[in-house]
Amino acid sequence: NAGVTQTPKFQVLKTGQSMTLQCAQDMNHNSMYWYRQDPGMGLRLIYYSASEGTTDKGEVPNGYNVSRLNKREFSLRLESAAPSQTSVYFCASILLQGDEQFFGPGTRLTVL
Amino acid sequence: RKEVEQDPGPFNVPEGATVAFNCTYSNSASQSFFWYRQDCRKEPKLLMSVYSSGNEDGRFTAQLNRASQYISLLIRDSKLSDSATYLCATGASGGSYIPTFGRGTSLIVHP
Repeated sequence: NAGVTQTPKFQVLKTGQSMTLQCAQDMNHNSMYWYRQDPGMGLRLIYYSASEGTTDKGEVPNGYNVSRLNKREFSLRLESAAPSQTSVYFCASILLQGDEQFFGPGTRLTVL
Repeated sequence: RKEVEQDPGPFNVPEGATVAFNCTYSNSASQSFFWYRQDCRKEPKLLMSVYSSGNEDGRFTAQLNRASQYISLLIRDSKLSDSATYLCATGASGGSYIPTFGRGTSLIVHP
């Protein structure tokens, strides 16, 4: 099993450009999450999907949209990137409530 | 006030030392508790779950104090390879499950 995979690993954008971060898991997990991690701020939840077909806002959703394409895939879209969105983005998944989270390797995004 | 709080450190200890981290949480409905390890520029990975009775895995011991709403991690006989950031996380069951993370505690083990 590959676990949780994320693409791309690195990305540089100019202000105003758009992009989609891809996440997929092959563990048949039900819930998926997108976090951003900034120095000194820890992991902050952007959006999550409790199950296929549902998505909800987390702590810092502004400037982002998500799609739970199917049970395996959960994408994060930046419609108009801003320098404040420079961060490391992690996708994670859980089989059941109370279980440990499995994280992808992260996407390092720089917005100039 | 953040829901899960940790001392960011860094804790700078010599090899062989014993070091302990605490993590306090504010949501009394929290039911699941974890310690994750995160190496520099890598993703967090589960170190251990924390059970009500406390649990041990080799040199690592985790404990939960529900009355005072904190969890702890004790590392004995520290190794250079233990240098990392340690994140605590809690989760409340019922409704959507949203794990909440502390900002992490940095540990540096030196020779």
